[in-house]
Amino acid sequence: SQQGEEDPQALSIQEGENATMNCSYKTSINNLQWYRQNSGRGLVHLILIRSNEREKHSGRLRVTLDTSKKSSSLLITASRAADTASYFCAEAQGGSEKLVFGKGTKLTVNP
Amino acid sequence: DARVTQTPRHKVTEMGQEVTMRCQPILGHNTVFWYRQTMMQGLELLAYFRNRAPLDDSGMPKDRFSAEMPDATLATLKIQPSEPRDSAVYFCASGLPRGGGGTGELFFGEGSRLTVL
Repeated sequence: SQQGEEDPQALSIQEGENATMNCSYKTSINNLQWYRQNSGRGLVHLILIRSNEREKHSGRLRVTLDTSKKSSSLLITASRAADTASYFCAEAQGGSEKLVFGKGTKLTVNP
Repeated sequence: DARVTQTPRHKVTEMGQEVTMRCQPILGHNTVFWYRQTMMQGLELLAYFRNRAPLDDSGMPKDRFSAEMPDATLATLKIQPSEPRDSAVYFCASGLPRGGGGTGELFFGEGSRLTVL
């Protein structure tokens, strides 16, 4: 399969807790991206980390990238009920324009 | 408010019928992607275009699927004949390549939900 894998497949937490999602990918990358999808909607871009970066922050989001392990993680701090959604990583494969998505983590934040 | 527009939002058809899905990318975006989303397979890349030229359509079943960009403001995905296994949500996304290589942020439409009976 060309797709990477997210871990866990589903995560349920309480409001205020932190949520960590992991992603493993298979190819060499130009960058790695994280997207969010609310039920019944299209995907929305959250953050992009280049292959030569190790960590990036955006508001309550923190993304790390370990190219030696071909893995990335997304941390959402102080989660809110509105963060309930599915989260996908996407690898921008080196040498092409391909953007390949993993299968996603379904996050539920309970009020 | 620039957005990717997909039509139809919902389509129910019978097996064997032709289905055409349309996408209007964001003005100025020169890269267009088609994805299919199902519970079992997740998001599958079907095809993508740059400057209206197909770069890769290896994810599409060639015998029944075709994707084109008649002009810079319209991308189409056609299934002929449709089969029940084609039931899925089809997403179009547009964006720009990054200066350092690779694809940058993609903007997704709301999807076309196809049901083939």
